[in-house]
Amino acid sequence: AQKVTQAQTEISVVEKEDVTLDCVYETRDTTYYLFWYKQPPSGELVFLIRRNSFDEQNEISGRYSWNFQKSTSSFNFTITASQVVDSAVYFCALSESVGAGGTSYGKLTFGQGTILTVHP
Amino acid sequence: DTAVSQTPKYLVTQMGNDKSIKCEQNLGHDTMYWYKQDSKKFLKIMFSYNNKELIINETVPNRFSPKSPDKAHLNLHINSLELGDSAVYFCASSPVAGPYEQYFGPGTRLTVT
Repeated sequence: AQKVTQAQTEISVVEKEDVTLDCVYETRDTTYYLFWYKQPPSGELVFLIRRNSFDEQNEISGRYSWNFQKSTSSFNFTITASQVVDSAVYFCALSESVGAGGTSYGKLTFGQGTILTVHP
Repeated sequence: DTAVSQTPKYLVTQMGNDKSIKCEQNLGHDTMYWYKQDSKKFLKIMFSYNNKELIINETVPNRFSPKSPDKAHLNLHINSLELGDSAVYFCASSPVAGPYEQYFGPGTRLTVT
């Protein structure tokens, strides 16, 4: 069974600090997809990124960057120069590309989430 | 226009009651999901429908019954509510059934007293 572990339950930083959120996953599939979602205090879940298992290139989007390392089964998320608006719960998730019977159903397995608090 | 909407946003009810949560998406997506987020923020999938057909049915008590009248709507009916059903329920949709980004609704906070 697949599993996602976000070992950091809570992180607290001061504005402008860089912060990295760790995500480690387990799966027996060779093809899979990884996601990050943000849940701000307002409660909705916001999609941030999707990455397939064949693409190990790091990705940068503004102050956000993602480091995917298959060798260590990790998909870490870094926020550079953090801001108060980055305060949220961040979830890493895993989706197998092929389910039972060879069909993909998009079943997401979420990690426990990391609560990030950015202080002014 | 809200892409994925849920009603109601808050639901407070007593044990033993039956209640429904409605979800609608205007994204033209084929696939919809129900997730439960518990008090520790843990998110777990409950059901998924693709074009009105049930494709994911996790280990959920049969007091929970999803219904999809069309591919834009996925409702969740809960019978004989229990204290442990208190949680935030999220509806989501994706373009098709597969490992694609899912767009979530604002959530429905259910409190059972």
